Amino acid sequence: GQQLNQSPQSMFIQEGEDVSMNCTSSSIFNTWLWYKQDPGEGPVLLIALYKAGELTSNGRLTAQFGITRKDSFLNISASIPSDVGIYFCAGQYYYGSSNTGKLIFGQGTTLQVKP
Amino acid sequence: KAGVTQTPRYLIKTRGQQVTLSCSPISGHRSVSWYQQTPGQGLQFLFEYFSETQRNKGNFPGRFSGRQFSNSRSEMNVSTLELGDSALYLCASSLGTEQYFGPGTRLTVT
Repeated sequence: GQQLNQSPQSMFIQEGEDVSMNCTSSSIFNTWLWYKQDPGEGPVLLIALYKAGELTSNGRLTAQFGITRKDSFLNISASIPSDVGIYFCAGQYYYGSSNTGKLIFGQGTTLQVKP
Repeated sequence: KAGVTQTPRYLIKTRGQQVTLSCSPISGHRSVSWYQQTPGQGLQFLFEYFSETQRNKGNFPGRFSGRQFSNSRSEMNVSTLELGDSALYLCASSLGTEQYFGPGTRLTVT
């Protein structure tokens, strides 16, 4: 199936450190979304990006929509133990006049934080 | 506002059987999308329903089907189950661009 290239695949960091992960695609997207998934649960939406170059923050999280519309990154500052989980990027196409469409996901970045 | 709910949460079926999964979207959301999550393939789009009509479809065989009711609740059905259908099935509802996921149904095929 179709997937985005997300890196790194996994990270093991010390509490308090900053984290950065990114996604690249050969296709242009209208929207980039970042999700976090805990074991046994569905993905939770963290940040949504709508315009090329857009930089958006949500607490300690900051994400950017790449200028080429083919990439995005997510930064987490001052990590804490509850940041542990799998982070997914997702790109979205728009169909016709609708603002909804299918999401294409990255493979995920597994984050582990050592207290 | 209540989130997306999915039932059942866990299901064990035998090869050859069929299964129906249910999804109730966030109140007011008219679009429901379904995704399959496996360790090997990750999250893959199955289909999207809007106002009781299938609007988009992923690359899955015809054994995978779905429908949406007038209250926006959705069901997906998998017929003639195969071992490879074992996965976490997630539904997501949206009002516009942002999709909000339910907890998923863990399907195990033996």
